[in-house]
Amino acid sequence: DIQMTQSPSFLSASVGDRVTINCKASQNINKYLDWYQQKLGEAPKLLIYNTNSLHTGIPSRFSGSGSGTDFTLTISSLQPEDVATYFCLQHNSGSWTFGGGTKLELK
Amino acid sequence: EVQLVESGGGLVQPGRSLKLSCAASGFTFSNYYMAWVRQAPKKGLEWVATISTSGSRTYYPDSVKGRFTISRDNAKSSLYLQMNSLKSEDTATYYCGVGLPFAYWGQGTLVTVSS
Repeated sequence: DIQMTQSPSFLSASVGDRVTINCKASQNINKYLDWYQQKLGEAPKLLIYNTNSLHTGIPSRFSGSGSGTDFTLTISSLQPEDVATYFCLQHNSGSWTFGGGTKLELK
Repeated sequence: EVQLVESGGGLVQPGRSLKLSCAASGFTFSNYYMAWVRQAPKKGLEWVATISTSGSRTYYPDSVKGRFTISRDNAKSSLYLQMNSLKSEDTATYYCGVGLPFAYWGQGTLVTVSS
């Protein structure tokens, strides 16, 4: 089974900061990595799919990069509404695995 | 507007069964893969099952394989999850999701497995 290691698990940043969250796969997953945002008490929301494709309606301050085993979600300028927990998800070869999550708070 | 409404959750004893439903609207249900994902209280997300558009292909992680069965009724735009031999570790909010990737999610239904 493919394991996903997400880091950091907790992140504190200020409004306007550039924020990066990382996910590392235990084996090559090509480009099949998505990012989700989950606000408190809500269902997750898709932000980025297939490494770097922005989902409909998602602000352009969110971007994704990477390939193979190492992937990054970047928020170019943190906004107050970005406070949430972020999860990566790999979907390769008929299995899906989430990362452990990164809780993002405002400093 | 895409809408997914899960139902069927509740309190169930260990070893018993429960069937979840997800009513879909706002998109052509039969054209999309569907999935179930769960989240234990204050924990992360765990993929539970995926089903192809026709229902001919299903996928499960080892944690639920042989106990859970995902199915769909395209005529009713509905997704189901039959859960048998439930364990305390199956306690979670269960979400249905549409598409590959999981582009949209319902609000979830809580399943509590406890004696």
